[in-house]
Amino acid sequence: EEKLEESGGDLVQPGGSLRLSCVGSGFTFSRHWISWVRQAPGKGLEWFANINEDGSAKNYVDAVRGRFTISRDNAKNSLYLQMNSLTVEDTAVYYCSGRIFDIWGQGTMVTVSS
Amino acid sequence: DIQMTQSPSSLSASLGDRVTITCRASQNIDINLNWFQQKPGRAPKLLIHAASSLQSGVPSRFSGSGSGTDFTLTISSLQPEDFATYYCQQNYRSWTFGQGTKVEIK
Repeated sequence: EEKLEESGGDLVQPGGSLRLSCVGSGFTFSRHWISWVRQAPGKGLEWFANINEDGSAKNYVDAVRGRFTISRDNAKNSLYLQMNSLTVEDTAVYYCSGRIFDIWGQGTMVTVSS
Repeated sequence: DIQMTQSPSSLSASLGDRVTITCRASQNIDINLNWFQQKPGRAPKLLIHAASSLQSGVPSRFSGSGSGTDFTLTISSLQPEDFATYYCQQNYRSWTFGQGTKVEIK
């Protein structure tokens, strides 16, 4: 079964940091772009970052550029998201998605609150 | 940035109805458009890629059409498991989702 699995979501105070992980299995992880997509409570989907196959190319939306860093370790079939300077607007379920967005994780909840 | 606008934002329909959802891009995106279905508490599921290509395993009652700026997702005969929220997404330049269309039971 082709799957992705996120972890690392938590409650964090404004201004804090958090690192999310996403592990792939059942497909050749190293051959595909992987994205992070988030969904604030009761809201729609927002693509905000992705990374190419070998990690040499990364894209971000303006809202997270400079605060979030996407990276990967293909030897571990793993994707990471380092999130710094978190604000309440970053509260959301965070999904990783790969290939042509046909593989998704189950999501991990990040809550930013004092 | 390319903006994606879906209409309607929500609709009520009955089992067996034909349902059409539209998605408009703020500029030409050729056929670089995906459609997703999302149920509450679940991850999105890819239905259609490249505007009209049905993803493997997706029932044939789902179809997509369009190119350029105007696109359509059609469900030919609504089934109980189709009540969900549907999103379009462009992947022509960066990646942007529409705001979603919630399909509810009439």
